[in-house]
Amino acid sequence: QKEVEQNSGPLSVPEGAIASLNCTYSDRGSQSFFWYRQYSGKSPELIMFIYSNGDKEDGRFTAQLNKASQYVSLLIRDSQPSDSATYLCAPPASGGSNYKLTFGKGTLLTVNP
Amino acid sequence: DAGVTQSPTHLIKTRGQQVTLRCSPKSGHDTVSWYQQALGQGPQFIFQYYEEEERQRGNFPDRFSGHQFPNYSSELNVNALLLGDSALYLCASSLARGRETQYFGPGTRLLVL
Repeated sequence: QKEVEQNSGPLSVPEGAIASLNCTYSDRGSQSFFWYRQYSGKSPELIMFIYSNGDKEDGRFTAQLNKASQYVSLLIRDSQPSDSATYLCAPPASGGSNYKLTFGKGTLLTVNP
Repeated sequence: DAGVTQSPTHLIKTRGQQVTLRCSPKSGHDTVSWYQQALGQGPQFIFQYYEEEERQRGNFPDRFSGHQFPNYSSELNVNALLLGDSALYLCASSLARGRETQYFGPGTRLLVL
């Protein structure tokens, strides 16, 4: 099993809809999770991080973490065309260090006006 | 507040040559990590520097080396370049404490011919 797997997409949603992005990971020691957004040709930009089981909301974004299932997701409500980008899930290496992030391939999201 | 900066933005080299990429961390940050992102892939961790020493390393050969200076800036050196080294090289900085998040620079795009 790969360390981090994401639904590869591309995922296409209409403007105003909810976009759901999923990520599973193999390292049971991972304690925190980061979601980055990467526009084409640009560097990753931090959107959210989550440490505890359950939901964390920040504006239109909600991250959900289920450590027992080794699953983390990102919901984007009221999707906008400006949300069109690749979304990267990144758990750090186990041991508590946030310096060595393990990225999935990312999910390409397209929001259609 | 200056963010992470990298230079140069683009670089073209030929096989067998050597290259040096540079990174200045976000103001107040003391830890630098380097990532390689091939086209269509997520970033892959190369190594991390803190207190002028390499602290963690990913699955990269010894051709990849680095350095951190007293002002926390960092260099990534790649010797004996291969075609497969063509990628976006990302520098990320953070604080060396607890669950600090990483912030990425704009990257250096390296093309090896």
